[in-house]
Amino acid sequence: QVQLVESGGGLVKPGGSLRLSCAASGFDFSDLYMSWIRQAPGKGLEWVSYISSGGYNIHYADSVRGRFTISRDNARNSLFLQMDSLRVEDTAMYFCVGEPSGPTSFDFWGQGILVTVSS
Amino acid sequence: DIQMTQSPSSLSASVGDRVTITCRANQGITNYLAWFQQKPGKAPESLIYAASILRGGVPSRFSGAGSGTDFTLTITNLQPEDFATYYCLQYYRHPRSFGQGTKLEIK
Repeated sequence: QVQLVESGGGLVKPGGSLRLSCAASGFDFSDLYMSWIRQAPGKGLEWVSYISSGGYNIHYADSVRGRFTISRDNARNSLFLQMDSLRVEDTAMYFCVGEPSGPTSFDFWGQGILVTVSS
Repeated sequence: DIQMTQSPSSLSASVGDRVTITCRANQGITNYLAWFQQKPGKAPESLIYAASILRGGVPSRFSGAGSGTDFTLTITNLQPEDFATYYCLQYYRHPRSFGQGTKLEIK
């Protein structure tokens, strides 16, 4: 049973930084392709960033490129999202999401962590 | 970038009804289309991948169809636990993109 647990969320002022973490268990983490997906209050799902299993292939949504950095530590079964220059519109629930290699997508979801950007 | 247009945005139905949700891509995505169900306060859950393959444990009243640009999610014999918000997702190419969501409500 794959378990993904996010941490590191909270309240931050505009222009500030926050680092999200996601701890994985129940699966060989180094076999998982990982993403961050967010959901603003009352809104739909927005894909934010992706990192391949070995960490060599990375993608970002235009809305966060240049401000957010995704990374992973396979030895520690952990995924990270460094969020800098935060804006009010980055306020959302952030989900850590994983998928194994194959035809599926976004198989495993964490419970989410809330990030609030407000002065 | 690939844009996904999902319709309707909301839908009212009764227990036992059959409903269909549509998702259209602005370019071909072969069958790299997934469907998710989200209940209030919960993370989304995967229902269908590769446009039509049901994930293990998903009831057979759910079905997906389509290829290329046009896709559907059909739920037959609606049950009380099916009232939720549904999203499509294209994973043919990055950036991955979701449809806007369809909120299925009890009539």
